[in-house]
Amino acid sequence: AQKVTQAQTEISVVEKEDVTLDCVYETRDTTYYLFWYKQPPSGELVFLIRRNSFDEQNEISGRYSWNFQKSTSSFNFTITASQVVDSAVYFCALSDDYGGSQGNLIFGKGTKLSVKP
Amino acid sequence: SQTIHQWPATLVQPVGSPLSLECTVEGTSNPNLYWYRQAAGRGLQLLFYSVGIGQISSEVPQNLSASRPQDRQFILSSKKLLLSDSGFYLCAWSQTGSGPVGELFFGEGSRLTVL
Repeated sequence: AQKVTQAQTEISVVEKEDVTLDCVYETRDTTYYLFWYKQPPSGELVFLIRRNSFDEQNEISGRYSWNFQKSTSSFNFTITASQVVDSAVYFCALSDDYGGSQGNLIFGKGTKLSVKP
Repeated sequence: SQTIHQWPATLVQPVGSPLSLECTVEGTSNPNLYWYRQAAGRGLQLLFYSVGIGQISSEVPQNLSASRPQDRQFILSSKKLLLSDSGFYLCAWSQTGSGPVGELFFGEGSRLTVL
């Protein structure tokens, strides 16, 4: 069975601190995709990144970075020098569906990040 | 550019009443369409998806139904709401095509409270 676990329910940091959001996944498939989505207070989810199971290179995008480690089935997300605008709920998701229901993502329960000034 | 809208944004309904949430997408054709539900303290759960007009797939058994009367319109309905139907409902779309996509574009959400 596929599963995504985000053990951190809530995290609170002070602005400019670095913060890492953990994500651990389970799947039996060798081909799969991992995602991070951001849900700001306005409600709509915003796509951040997609990673396929064959690409373990870490990725950096501005203050955001992602660490994908197949050996530990983890796909962690780090925000460097956090800002108040980073406050949101962050979801990690897994897709092992190729074709068909392409939006059938399996989401974790989310981590609520609060960045205080 | 593509946009997605859903309404109403907020809804308070008594148990046993009907429900209709609407979602429309602009700026693209033949999108895949999805209804997700986000219950308090839980992740997002896929309820329905559609790959074309009149084609609806249900992921979980429930008293909700979905319809796609037009290419870019997706409707979530219920004949009789239950308390457990309360939650935040999100409509989303993605590009069609082979292979996994995963890049979903979400609407603003509809918060449903059933009393």
